Amino acid sequence: EAGVAQSPRYKIIEKRQSVAFWCNPISGHATLYWYQQILGQGPKLLIQFQNNGVVDDSQLPKDRFSAERLKGVDSTLKIQPAKLEDSAVYLCASSLSAGVNEKLFFGSGTQLSVL
Amino acid sequence: QKEVEQNSGPLSVPEGAIASLNCTYSDRGSQSFFWYRQYSGKSPELIMSIYSNGDKEDGRFTAQLNKASQYVSLLIRDSQPSDSATYLCALTPPGGYNKLIFGAGTRLAVHP
Repeated sequence: EAGVAQSPRYKIIEKRQSVAFWCNPISGHATLYWYQQILGQGPKLLIQFQNNGVVDDSQLPKDRFSAERLKGVDSTLKIQPAKLEDSAVYLCASSLSAGVNEKLFFGSGTQLSVL
Repeated sequence: QKEVEQNSGPLSVPEGAIASLNCTYSDRGSQSFFWYRQYSGKSPELIMSIYSNGDKEDGRFTAQLNKASQYVSLLIRDSQPSDSATYLCALTPPGGYNKLIFGAGTRLAVHP
């Protein structure tokens, strides 16, 4: 079974530039998550989709971050403009549903460095 | 107060010993609890889940939950160098939707 695919694996940009990350969840998984993991911290949920609708985006900095999952499959996360503090690993995860205790499967992540 | 608190470590144990990892949480209504293992540069991997008070064993791993004390722990028996990683405690807060809140993790080092 193919896992959660993410690209790019690494990205280096200068502050105030824009960047986009892509995620393809496991086939058939209705729920998709974007987490931000800053070095030395645990992952923090940015946004959760159920199919193509947003379930939770309470911790998404909406002035600079946006995310979409138009057809209920792939998702993109965008940052515009980037700040130094956005340097982190961006993890995409998926689960079969949003039911409590559904197992999350994580992708390999995109490591973003903002200079 | 952080929602999920863990000692950052490193916790250093000799090979073959028992490693004990601890986690406390602030919201009494938290529903489900998880332990993830994260190797350096890799993504988190679920190793244990526990939903009710008591112990749950899976191979060399035992998860313990005490909701009255708001405390979760993970015991790793017969620790191996391959167990060296960061262990993340996570929980589902009240309200569901499978939202996970993670602690900052405890780094475990198992030395031969």
